Amino acid sequence: LAKTTQPISMDSYEGQEVNITCSHNNIATNDYITWYQQFPSQGPRFIIQGYKTKVTNEVASLFIPADRKSSTLSLPRVSLSDTAVYYCLVGPMDSSYKLIFGSGTRLLVRP
Amino acid sequence: GAGVSQTPSNKVTEKGKYVELRCDPISGHTALYWYRQSLGQGPEFLIYFQGTGAADDSGLPNDRFFAVRPEGSVSTLKIQRTERGDSAVYLCASSFGGHGNTGELFFGEGSRLTVL
Repeated sequence: LAKTTQPISMDSYEGQEVNITCSHNNIATNDYITWYQQFPSQGPRFIIQGYKTKVTNEVASLFIPADRKSSTLSLPRVSLSDTAVYYCLVGPMDSSYKLIFGSGTRLLVRP
Repeated sequence: GAGVSQTPSNKVTEKGKYVELRCDPISGHTALYWYRQSLGQGPEFLIYFQGTGAADDSGLPNDRFFAVRPEGSVSTLKIQRTERGDSAVYLCASSFGGHGNTGELFFGEGSRLTVL
């Protein structure tokens, strides 16, 4: 499974756009990129998933360049409630799929 | 409820005791996962079930840890002769698995285990 590297922490202010970049140089052809969010005392929650180019949902956007060796999670106009740990994961979507989490990025949104 | 349910939410035990943690997955989900999360770390994979069988138990740290899912629904994680280093939050997740797998896992809120 491909290893991922992401910043340990980031600070932002309410209303700003936050971009968290994840490196995955050894991504395989059949690997997808998935991001999870985790609040204190809760389990991780799926945010977004993509294979290439750009994916957008009601929560975030995911940008994946052509070489797929990195990806960027974009959170538009963050609020205090977006303070959480964000995990980037890479792996295949087959019947034996299991998620391998790194240490994640701790995002702190300030008023 | 519609989500993954884990019990107990908190468990305090003494070193050397036996502990069972229960997970009730989302109805219809064939895949079930156990993870362990220590303070400040990401979740660490323990074991994955597809139906009743353990498809991948490579993450279990040693033979004191065992998990079952006898009817393909509820799962129990069993820890024998607990040690202080076993203290962590134990997370359970479920997904559709198999050909319906979208890669999205649904996590419970976890069982916090403290070994004194």
